[in-house]
Amino acid sequence: EPEVTQTPSHQVTQMGQEVILRCVPISNHLYFYWYRQILGQKVEFLVSFYNNEISEKSEIFDDQFSVERPDGSNFTLKIRSTKLEDSAMYFCASSESYLAGGGDEQFFGPGTRLTVL
Amino acid sequence: RKEVEQDPGPFNVPEGATVAFNCTYSNSASQSFFWYRQDCRKEPKLLMSVYSSGNEDGRFTAQLNRASQYISLLIRDSKLSDSATYLCVVRGWNYGGSQGNLIFGKGTKLSVKP
Repeated sequence: EPEVTQTPSHQVTQMGQEVILRCVPISNHLYFYWYRQILGQKVEFLVSFYNNEISEKSEIFDDQFSVERPDGSNFTLKIRSTKLEDSAMYFCASSESYLAGGGDEQFFGPGTRLTVL
Repeated sequence: RKEVEQDPGPFNVPEGATVAFNCTYSNSASQSFFWYRQDCRKEPKLLMSVYSSGNEDGRFTAQLNRASQYISLLIRDSKLSDSATYLCVVRGWNYGGSQGNLIFGKGTKLSVKP
């Protein structure tokens, strides 16, 4: 069964450093997303991406964040200058469609645990 | 009012019990509804989509009441492996222009005991 993959599984970094989190969405999916979950809290939306551009983003997704689809398979999230409060689990997700009831289910990768020291 | 609200639990039930989870959502323009399950420190896994007509998948039954903005999940004959956090999730509303992202509830923790 096709699945979303993410690397690395765990990333430890110093405050102020740049990190890049990588995702490979399901191959026939066209819509890509990043979510995060701070320990003990709910899953929060960061950004959605379609046709090589951002579709929408949340208030969390400020100028320190960027996303890119550098090739036909990878989808990356970059945090330019990490802060302590960026420590969280980051999940990538993808969906086939955007249409309610028409394949808009989102499937999640296993996540990258980011620890900022 | 919170966007998606769930009873946090925990629900502690014996094997074989029937357990029901409830959820309310705040925006009537929401278009798609889902139940996900999340094991400790793992990713959310899609359990089932929820349709207005109600839908069933084995031991799991989901219901949606759009008028009351209420979603439910029923688990019959619960198994030890059902122990997890159950997340109520909605998608697509016009609040702030949001259309595609998922809005998660905080989840209800279920613990099934032998």
